[in-house]
Amino acid sequence: GENVEQHPSTLSVQEGDSAVIKCTYSDSASNYFPWYKQELGKRPQLIIDIRSNVGEKKDQRIAVTLNKTAKHFSLHITETQPEDSAVYFCAASQRSYGQNFVFGPGTRLSVLP
Amino acid sequence: DTAVSQTPKYLVTQMGNDKSIKCEQNLGHDTMYWYKQDSKKFLKIMFSYNNKELIINETVPNRFSPKSPDKAHLNLHINSLELGDSAVYFCASSRPLGGSTDTQYFGPGTRLTVL
Repeated sequence: GENVEQHPSTLSVQEGDSAVIKCTYSDSASNYFPWYKQELGKRPQLIIDIRSNVGEKKDQRIAVTLNKTAKHFSLHITETQPEDSAVYFCAASQRSYGQNFVFGPGTRLSVLP
Repeated sequence: DTAVSQTPKYLVTQMGNDKSIKCEQNLGHDTMYWYKQDSKKFLKIMFSYNNKELIINETVPNRFSPKSPDKAHLNLHINSLELGDSAVYFCASSRPLGGSTDTQYFGPGTRLTVL
């Protein structure tokens, strides 16, 4: 089955700096890779996703890159703000009957003012 | 935002009791999930249903029994609750084959505390 690893487990950056979180996956059949942000006491919420036919996607300060050959994908947050502080999860999925999502263990991002 | 809703939000109970958590989605999705998030924040899938059919059943004690009366509802019943069952349980839904998006939406979570 699919296995997703995520690094680092914790990340502290100064406000205005960039943050990068990396994930690797094991199943080459996975073709959909979402990223979720979870604030304290809240539900995970999708912030950006990428499909396997795309190498990069950007939405304002957030971008995701995918390297299918190496089976890794990364989240990039630029010009970080204190409200970016949260736990971020990557996930890998196959678009199939009984779509399964396998999540990474999460990265706790702290943006210091 | 009530696309995926869960009840109750908090559940405090004694060891050995039986309890249920309910989930409903109004997004027209075909697939629903239960996840357990422990104190270390790991999100672990427990079950997945597609159109009321059980698709994914991870290694979960058989004290946990999901039930899907229709594709908009997925309930979780837990028998003989144990201390280790304390966690936040999230319901989620998504739409695979035939849908235009793979996005998975989460409910607000149910914080279960077993005393």
